[in-house]
Amino acid sequence: ETGVTQTPRHLVMGMTNKKSLKCEQHLGHNAMYWYKQSAKKPLELMFVYNFKEQTENNSVPSRFSPECPNSSHLFLHLHTLQPEDSALYLCASSRGPPDTQYFGPGTRLTVL
Amino acid sequence: KNEVEQSPQNLTAQEGEFITINCSYSVGISALHWLQQHPGGGIVSLFMLSSGKKKHGRLIATINIQEKHSSLHITASHPRDSAVYICAVTETSGSRLTFGEGTQLTVNP
Repeated sequence: ETGVTQTPRHLVMGMTNKKSLKCEQHLGHNAMYWYKQSAKKPLELMFVYNFKEQTENNSVPSRFSPECPNSSHLFLHLHTLQPEDSALYLCASSRGPPDTQYFGPGTRLTVL
Repeated sequence: KNEVEQSPQNLTAQEGEFITINCSYSVGISALHWLQQHPGGGIVSLFMLSSGKKKHGRLIATINIQEKHSSLHITASHPRDSAVYICAVTETSGSRLTFGEGTQLTVNP
Protein backbone atom coordinates (compact mmCIF):
# COMPACT_ATOMS: atom_id res chain seq x y z
CA GLU A 1 0.00 0.00 0.00
CA THR A 2 1.63 3.27 -1.10
CA GLY A 3 -1.33 5.53 -0.53
CA VAL A 4 0.77 7.75 1.73
CA THR A 5 3.76 9.52 0.22
CA GLN A 6 6.46 11.53 1.93
CA THR A 7 9.05 13.92 0.55
CA PRO A 8 11.92 14.20 0.76
CA ARG A 9 13.01 10.66 1.61
CA HIS A 10 16.35 11.89 2.94
CA LEU A 11 17.29 15.29 4.32
CA VAL A 12 20.53 16.64 5.73
CA MET A 13 20.36 20.06 7.32
CA GLY A 14 22.42 22.33 9.50
CA MET A 15 21.18 23.61 12.83
CA THR A 16 20.42 27.06 11.41
CA ASN A 17 18.50 25.84 8.36
CA LYS A 18 14.76 25.92 7.82
CA LYS A 19 13.21 23.01 5.95
CA SER A 20 9.83 21.33 5.59
CA LEU A 21 8.71 17.73 5.36
CA LYS A 22 5.68 16.95 3.26
CA CYS A 23 3.15 14.14 3.55
CA GLU A 24 0.30 13.42 1.17
CA GLN A 25 -2.35 10.73 1.42
CA HIS A 26 -4.50 9.49 -1.43
CA LEU A 27 -6.80 7.29 0.66
CA GLY A 28 -9.60 9.72 1.47
CA HIS A 29 -8.72 9.63 5.15
CA ASN A 30 -9.59 12.32 7.66
CA ALA A 31 -6.85 11.86 10.25
CA MET A 32 -3.12 12.37 9.76
CA TYR A 33 -0.22 11.79 12.11
CA TRP A 34 3.46 12.66 12.53
CA TYR A 35 5.73 10.18 14.31
CA LYS A 36 9.41 10.27 15.23
CA GLN A 37 11.54 7.14 15.35
CA SER A 38 14.98 7.55 16.89
CA ALA A 39 17.56 4.80 16.82
CA LYS A 40 16.78 1.96 19.25
CA LYS A 41 13.68 3.73 20.61
CA PRO A 42 9.96 3.04 20.13
CA LEU A 43 7.97 5.15 17.74
CA GLU A 44 6.84 8.39 19.34
CA LEU A 45 3.66 10.19 18.37
CA MET A 46 4.27 13.88 17.70
CA PHE A 47 1.02 15.33 16.34
CA VAL A 48 -2.46 14.22 15.33
CA TYR A 49 -4.78 16.09 12.99
CA ASN A 50 -8.40 15.10 12.54
CA PHE A 51 -10.44 16.96 9.91
CA LYS A 52 -7.56 19.52 9.66
CA GLU A 53 -7.72 20.31 13.37
CA GLN A 54 -4.83 19.44 15.66
CA THR A 55 -6.08 17.07 18.34
CA GLU A 56 -2.80 15.89 19.86
CA ASN A 57 0.51 17.60 20.53
CA ASN A 58 2.73 15.23 22.45
CA SER A 59 4.82 17.95 24.14
CA VAL A 60 6.81 18.51 20.98
CA PRO A 61 9.37 21.37 21.04
CA SER A 62 8.34 24.48 19.13
CA ARG A 63 11.18 24.03 16.64
CA PHE A 64 8.81 21.50 15.04
CA SER A 65 5.78 23.25 13.58
CA PRO A 66 3.03 21.19 11.90
CA GLU A 67 0.62 22.44 9.29
CA CYS A 68 -2.43 20.67 7.88
CA PRO A 69 -4.03 22.77 5.12
CA ASN A 70 -6.49 20.02 4.17
CA SER A 71 -7.19 16.40 5.00
CA SER A 72 -4.84 15.15 2.28
CA HIS A 73 -1.72 17.13 3.12
CA LEU A 74 0.40 17.43 6.20
CA PHE A 75 3.62 19.38 6.65
CA LEU A 76 6.25 19.49 9.35
CA HIS A 77 8.23 22.71 9.34
CA LEU A 78 11.66 22.48 10.90
CA HIS A 79 13.86 25.30 12.19
CA THR A 80 16.91 25.56 14.44
CA LEU A 81 16.99 21.82 15.00
CA GLN A 82 19.49 20.01 17.20
CA PRO A 83 21.62 16.99 16.31
CA GLU A 84 19.46 14.86 18.64
CA ASP A 85 16.52 15.56 16.33
CA SER A 86 18.13 13.30 13.75
CA ALA A 87 15.67 10.46 13.25
CA LEU A 88 13.20 8.85 10.88
CA TYR A 89 10.03 10.94 10.64
CA LEU A 90 6.97 8.97 9.64
CA CYS A 91 3.61 10.22 8.50
CA ALA A 92 0.45 8.13 8.71
CA SER A 93 -3.23 8.51 7.95
CA SER A 94 -6.44 6.78 8.95
CA ARG A 95 -10.16 7.17 8.41
CA GLY A 96 -10.19 8.54 11.91
CA PRO A 97 -8.67 7.69 15.25
CA PRO A 98 -8.48 4.86 16.31
CA ASP A 99 -8.77 3.14 12.91
CA THR A 100 -5.94 1.30 11.19
CA GLN A 101 -3.18 3.71 10.24
CA TYR A 102 -1.38 3.60 6.92
CA PHE A 103 2.20 4.75 7.02
CA GLY A 104 4.36 6.59 4.54
CA PRO A 105 7.93 5.50 3.82
CA GLY A 106 9.40 8.12 6.13
CA THR A 107 11.95 10.90 5.84
CA ARG A 108 15.42 10.12 7.19
CA LEU A 109 16.58 13.41 8.75
CA THR A 110 20.15 14.14 9.73
CA VAL A 111 20.94 17.36 11.59
CA LEU A 112 24.59 18.37 11.48
CA LYS B 1 8.34 0.77 32.62
CA ASN B 2 6.90 1.06 29.13
CA GLU B 3 3.12 0.79 28.89
CA VAL B 4 3.57 -1.71 26.06
CA GLU B 5 6.10 -4.49 26.51
CA GLN B 6 7.16 -6.94 23.81
CA SER B 7 9.09 -10.17 24.02
CA PRO B 8 11.45 -11.31 22.82
CA GLN B 9 13.43 -8.27 21.69
CA ASN B 10 15.31 -10.35 19.15
CA LEU B 11 14.35 -13.66 17.58
CA THR B 12 16.24 -15.81 15.12
CA ALA B 13 14.51 -18.75 13.47
CA GLN B 14 15.08 -21.27 10.72
CA GLU B 15 12.88 -21.19 7.67
CA GLY B 16 9.71 -23.18 8.27
CA GLU B 17 9.59 -22.69 12.02
CA PHE B 18 6.49 -21.51 13.91
CA ILE B 19 7.11 -18.13 15.49
CA THR B 20 5.40 -16.37 18.39
CA ILE B 21 5.90 -12.77 19.46
CA ASN B 22 4.25 -11.56 22.64
CA CYS B 23 2.86 -8.19 23.72
CA SER B 24 1.65 -7.13 27.15
CA TYR B 25 0.13 -3.77 27.99
CA SER B 26 -0.82 -2.01 31.18
CA VAL B 27 -3.41 0.55 30.06
CA GLY B 28 -7.04 0.39 29.01
CA ILE B 29 -7.29 0.06 25.28
CA SER B 30 -9.85 0.31 22.53
CA ALA B 31 -7.68 -1.56 20.03
CA LEU B 32 -4.34 -3.30 19.63
CA HIS B 33 -2.28 -3.13 16.47
CA TRP B 34 0.48 -5.28 15.03
CA LEU B 35 2.79 -3.53 12.59
CA GLN B 36 5.68 -4.73 10.44
CA GLN B 37 8.68 -2.53 9.69
CA HIS B 38 11.19 -3.54 7.04
CA PRO B 39 14.77 -2.26 6.76
CA GLY B 40 14.60 1.24 5.30
CA GLY B 41 11.74 2.19 7.56
CA GLY B 42 8.48 1.43 5.76
CA ILE B 43 5.72 0.32 8.16
CA VAL B 44 2.76 -1.85 7.25
CA SER B 45 -0.24 -2.42 9.47
CA LEU B 46 -0.83 -6.15 9.84
CA PHE B 47 -3.76 -6.33 12.22
CA MET B 48 -6.03 -4.20 14.33
CA LEU B 49 -8.00 -6.17 16.87
CA SER B 50 -10.03 -5.56 20.00
CA SER B 51 -11.02 -9.13 20.83
CA GLY B 52 -10.48 -12.73 19.82
CA LYS B 53 -8.36 -13.72 16.90
CA LYS B 54 -7.61 -12.64 13.34
CA LYS B 55 -5.86 -14.52 10.55
CA HIS B 56 -4.29 -13.29 7.34
CA GLY B 57 -2.36 -15.80 5.31
CA ARG B 58 0.38 -17.24 7.51
CA LEU B 59 -0.12 -14.60 10.19
CA ILE B 60 -2.40 -15.01 13.20
CA ALA B 61 -3.01 -12.44 15.93
CA THR B 62 -4.78 -13.12 19.20
CA ILE B 63 -5.73 -10.93 22.10
CA ASN B 64 -6.84 -11.66 25.66
CA ILE B 65 -8.42 -8.50 27.02
CA GLN B 66 -8.69 -9.79 30.59
CA GLU B 67 -4.99 -10.67 30.71
CA LYS B 68 -3.95 -7.59 28.67
CA HIS B 69 -1.91 -9.76 26.36
CA SER B 70 -1.63 -10.34 22.64
CA SER B 71 0.39 -12.71 20.50
CA LEU B 72 1.44 -12.63 16.87
CA HIS B 73 2.10 -16.01 15.30
CA ILE B 74 3.80 -16.73 12.00
CA THR B 75 3.39 -20.21 10.57
CA ALA B 76 5.89 -21.72 8.11
CA SER B 77 8.24 -18.76 8.49
CA HIS B 78 10.20 -17.53 5.50
CA PRO B 79 13.27 -15.29 5.15
CA ARG B 80 11.05 -12.56 3.70
CA ASP B 81 9.31 -12.42 7.09
CA SER B 82 12.51 -10.92 8.51
CA ALA B 83 11.53 -7.51 9.86
CA VAL B 84 10.77 -5.65 13.06
CA TYR B 85 7.32 -6.46 14.44
CA ILE B 86 5.77 -3.74 16.55
CA CYS B 87 2.85 -3.94 18.93
CA ALA B 88 0.89 -0.76 19.55
CA VAL B 89 -2.25 0.09 21.49
CA THR B 90 -4.89 2.76 21.12
CA GLU B 91 -5.70 3.89 24.63
CA THR B 92 -9.33 4.29 25.58
CA SER B 93 -8.53 7.79 26.82
CA GLY B 94 -7.83 9.21 23.39
CA SER B 95 -6.63 8.72 19.87
CA ARG B 96 -2.93 8.20 20.37
CA LEU B 97 -1.03 5.02 19.63
CA THR B 98 1.48 3.84 22.22
CA PHE B 99 4.17 1.59 20.79
CA GLY B 100 6.25 -1.26 22.07
CA GLU B 101 9.96 -1.33 21.34
CA GLY B 102 9.57 -3.92 18.62
CA THR B 103 10.83 -7.44 18.04
CA GLN B 104 13.58 -7.94 15.48
CA LEU B 105 12.85 -11.20 13.66
CA THR B 106 15.45 -12.85 11.47
CA VAL B 107 14.48 -15.97 9.55
CA ASN B 108 17.44 -17.85 8.08
CA PRO B 109 17.12 -20.05 4.99
